[in-house]
Amino acid sequence: GAGVSQSPSNKVTEKGKDVELRCDPISGHTALYWYRQSLGQGLEFLIYFQGNSAPDKSGLPSDRFSAERTGGSVSTLTIQRTQQEDSAVYLCASSLARTLIYEQYFGPGTRLTVT
Amino acid sequence: AQSVAQPEDQVNVAEGNPLTVKCTYSVSGNPYLFWYVQYPNRGLQFLLKYITGDNLVKGSYGFEAEFNKSQTSFHLKKPSALVSDSALYFCAVRDKIENSGYALNFGKGTSLLVTP
Repeated sequence: GAGVSQSPSNKVTEKGKDVELRCDPISGHTALYWYRQSLGQGLEFLIYFQGNSAPDKSGLPSDRFSAERTGGSVSTLTIQRTQQEDSAVYLCASSLARTLIYEQYFGPGTRLTVT
Repeated sequence: AQSVAQPEDQVNVAEGNPLTVKCTYSVSGNPYLFWYVQYPNRGLQFLLKYITGDNLVKGSYGFEAEFNKSQTSFHLKKPSALVSDSALYFCAVRDKIENSGYALNFGKGTSLLVTP
């Protein structure tokens, strides 16, 4: 079946511009996660959605980062006024249950480069 | 917070030899532990998990891991390595976040190189 999809696969942007990254989770998965993978920080948790509930934003590195999830499915991660330190691979994952008894399935990621 | 540590940045092994990628954990309570693999320019792929039950967990591609409570370890193993196993391996633990949810807390990753 279809896995988690993300778009774009690569994004190059100028410092100060806003970017939007999209994630389409596996159908039926109620839990959705965003992670960031960078050389210096490894894999970091950013934000978590459970169904249509308000997201857990505890991992967001600054208020320039925000995310939404429409209809309990597709999610968009927005980074405003991008900085060079935002350059990383942004990974989306989904899971059947928030308790993580079931594993997370990851998308291929969006590689963001801020110049 | 729950955490895992991968003490080796890189592991080198010859094809056909057994391989071990190490992971230790620090948790309160019973851990949920995971191994993921990342091939170049690809997302993370799930290998196996330990929730409860048998300490020896079998997963994808012939990998297995042993949960050792006394040593707080969850090492990944394979009896006979293949060149195609060369990739980046991540150990992870379930960690509580706000709003009654959970996320994965990952180790730094270990690069495995299998030589012919």
